Amino acid sequence: EVQLVESGGGLVQPGGSLRLSCAASGFTFSSYWMHWVRQAPGKGLVWVSRINSDGSSTSYADSVKGRFTISRDNAKNTLYLQMNSLRAEDTAVYYCFSPFGPFWGQGTLVTVSS
Amino acid sequence: NFMLTQPHSVSESPGKTVTISCTGSSGSIASNYVQWYQQRPGSAPTTVIYEDNQRPSGVPDRFSGSIDSSSNSASLTISGLKTEDEADYYCQSYDSSNHGGVFGGGTKLTVL
Repeated sequence: EVQLVESGGGLVQPGGSLRLSCAASGFTFSSYWMHWVRQAPGKGLVWVSRINSDGSSTSYADSVKGRFTISRDNAKNTLYLQMNSLRAEDTAVYYCFSPFGPFWGQGTLVTVSS
Repeated sequence: NFMLTQPHSVSESPGKTVTISCTGSSGSIASNYVQWYQQRPGSAPTTVIYEDNQRPSGVPDRFSGSIDSSSNSASLTISGLKTEDEADYYCQSYDSSNHGGVFGGGTKLTVL
């Protein structure tokens, strides 16, 4: 059974940092490009970042460029999103997914508030 | 930057057919694959169409996707509507300029 399980969300103060993880199982993780997408409360899906299958190429939304870093460890079948300098507007549920799997995680909530 | 535009909402009766459009802002929407996602309230999204017109296993053939290059748009068609199809639907593709992802704003489908 294919699974993507996100973790690492929580409450953080503005300016703080969090690292999200997405543990993959049930498919050949190293063969798939992976993405992070987020959804603020009551809003639509917004693309955040993507990484290619071997980790050599990444891309970011303008809103997170320079603050977020996507990475992966294919030996551990895990995708990461390092989030620094967090702002209130980063508050959202964060999902990992692979469009061409297609696979989705269940999401992890990040709340940025003092 | 490349953008995708969807209607805010559509509604149709059970048993009927509905089509949701997704229009690209520039370039050719046919240059990159388009995916369609369904999201029911309180749940994570799921894929109903990937690579323009492919259905994941478990998605009924009532769901179909297509590309119209003349209007630079993609479409999701759902036939034989059921009340369980009521959800938000998002299209997704790529911005060729930066190889980043792009989502449409979402369409709320009401089946009544």
